[in-house]
Order: sequence, then C-alpha cells, then structure tokens
Amino acid sequence: GENVEQHPSTLSVQEGDSAVIKCTYSDSASNYFPWYKQELGKGPQLIIDIRSNVGEKKDQRIAVTLNKTAKHFSLHITETQPEDSAVYFCAATSINSGGSNYKLTFGKGTLLTVNP
Amino acid sequence: DGGITQSPKYLFRKEGQNVTLSCEQNLNHDAMYWYRQDPGQGLRLIYYSQIVNDFQKGDIAEGYSVSREKKESFPLTVTSAQKNPTAFYLCASSLNRGVGEAFFGQGTRLTVV
Repeated sequence: GENVEQHPSTLSVQEGDSAVIKCTYSDSASNYFPWYKQELGKGPQLIIDIRSNVGEKKDQRIAVTLNKTAKHFSLHITETQPEDSAVYFCAATSINSGGSNYKLTFGKGTLLTVNP
Repeated sequence: DGGITQSPKYLFRKEGQNVTLSCEQNLNHDAMYWYRQDPGQGLRLIYYSQIVNDFQKGDIAEGYSVSREKKESFPLTVTSAQKNPTAFYLCASSLNRGVGEAFFGQGTRLTVV
C-alpha cells in the first residue's frame, strides 16, 4: 500500500517569512495529492490539492509542487501570518475513472508556528 | 448549509463499554470514511464506505464496527475489543467516481476511563 512521509514534524518561522513542508510517497499509481490544514480541536480543511498531470499549482500565498519522478511534493506558504499557525497534513491517493478504492493516506503532520 | 456533522464533540466512557459515534452528511456524497488521530501519528483509516449497505476495513479496523444503512449516515461503534480507544475520531465524506476532495467533520474526542 501507499506510504507517505512528511517533514519536518515541527516548523517555526517569523511572520512574513516563507514556510516549506515536504512529503514523499511510495506508490507510483498515486495521482492526487491534497494538503489539509487542521486548527486545534477542529477537523482538517482542504487548502490546496494537485493532480499528477501538473507540476505546480498556486492559490494566493499557497503553492504546491509535484515531482512525479522523485515521488515528492511540497507545500509552500509565502508571507506567513500568525493565522497560518496550525498542523498541516499532506496526503496521497489514486483516483481512477472507475471510482473504486479512494482512500487517502496521510503524512504524520507538521506543526507550523508563525511568530509575530 | 451543507456539511458533515459529528456528535458528540466530547465523549467519556468506562472501560469495557461499547460506544457509538455519530456522523451525518447532507452533501449527497457517496463515500464516507472514519479516521483515528493520535498525537504524532497523523490520520489512520478505520473503515470506509463507497455506497450504501457496503463498507470495507481500513488499516486499523480491529475493535471497531460500522454500518451504512443510509447514504447520509455512517456511525462508528468502538467496541470493548479495541485495546486503546482513547483518541480523536474524524469522519469524512467525498463524492465517488474520480472527484478528489474529502470534507471532514469537526471530530469527536473519545476518552475511556
């Protein structure tokens, strides 16, 4: 099955700096890679995702890059703000037209702290 | 408003008792999932269901049971056979057939004493 490794487990940055979180996956069949943000005591919320047919996707201050050959993908947050402080999870899965077996495999999470 | 609702938010039970966690969604999603979250462990899949009256075991199904009698409901029972039940439980749902995003509920924190 799929295995997702996420680094670092904790990350502390100054407000305004950039933050980068990296994930690797093992299953070459995986083709969908979402990133979730989880605030304390709440459920995860999708912040950005990327499919294997593109190498980069950007949404305002957040971007995700994907290297299929190396089987790794990264989350980039620019101009960080204190409200970006949360736990971030990467995940991977294989979605096909048949729709069977959609199961997200998650990394262990990164606690991001943005210091004012 | 459409969404996925878990109840209760906090649950306390004595050791040896079964307990059922509720998950309801009004998003008309076909697929529903239960994850367990422990500190430093990420999210681990317990059970998932892609259609009514059908469900499959995830990676850590032992000691848990589910049912999917209605499209909008996917309750999880934590049985007395689960050796370490204290955890944060998350329910999620998604459209089936190739659409990716999974929506999560707000979670239930179960404490067994």
